[in-house]
Amino acid sequence: DGGITQSPKYLFRKEGQNVTLSCEQNLNHDAMYWYRQDPGQGLRLIYYSQIVNDFQKGDIAEGYSVSREKKESFPLTVTSAQKNPTAFYLCASSMSQGLYGYTFGSGTRLTVV
Amino acid sequence: DQQVKQNSPSLSVQEGRISILNCDYTNSMFDYFLWYKKYPAEGPTFLISISSIKDKNEDGRFTVFLNKSAKHLSLHIVPSQPGDSAVYFCAASVSSGTYKYIFGTGTRLKVLA
Repeated sequence: DGGITQSPKYLFRKEGQNVTLSCEQNLNHDAMYWYRQDPGQGLRLIYYSQIVNDFQKGDIAEGYSVSREKKESFPLTVTSAQKNPTAFYLCASSMSQGLYGYTFGSGTRLTVV
Repeated sequence: DQQVKQNSPSLSVQEGRISILNCDYTNSMFDYFLWYKKYPAEGPTFLISISSIKDKNEDGRFTVFLNKSAKHLSLHIVPSQPGDSAVYFCAASVSSGTYKYIFGTGTRLKVLA
């Protein structure tokens, strides 16, 4: 079964630590995306990548970093520079044209303790 | 500046009645629109789409209407079922671009049995 897998489902981080969220897809999609969901704010784009070894900042990229070394994988690092990292993080992928929208993973809930 | 707005954060409807969820957008370049459904702690799932060359698209109990002059779209669910209780997001994109979707803030639908 093709799909997009995010891990872990829940993650706790101490203040000042970097943490990496995993996202893997076996849909052969070219494009991948990271969104953040906060209550009342909808989904906000953090980073996206349309091809391997290339990625662009979204609307709220500060304090985050990504890599796209493989087509299947698009990990997101939440750095200590991110001032308010507690949120629900969603990874998505799409065909390069994206005409049929995104396929989303099941999300990672990150909590800073 | 919120380019895609869902002004009703929540909506309650009796089972069997019609649910109408609304979405407004400001960017006249948007020409492809999607609706997603999201359950708590899960990723959004694609529901229905519409291109700006149409003003209506139907899929079973779900119909999306697009009013380009008003920059408004709506999702109708008839008849509403308790399993429809979820958060609904609309999303918009420019089809000639990178298919980077802009999401609304979501409307929480509660269908009462």
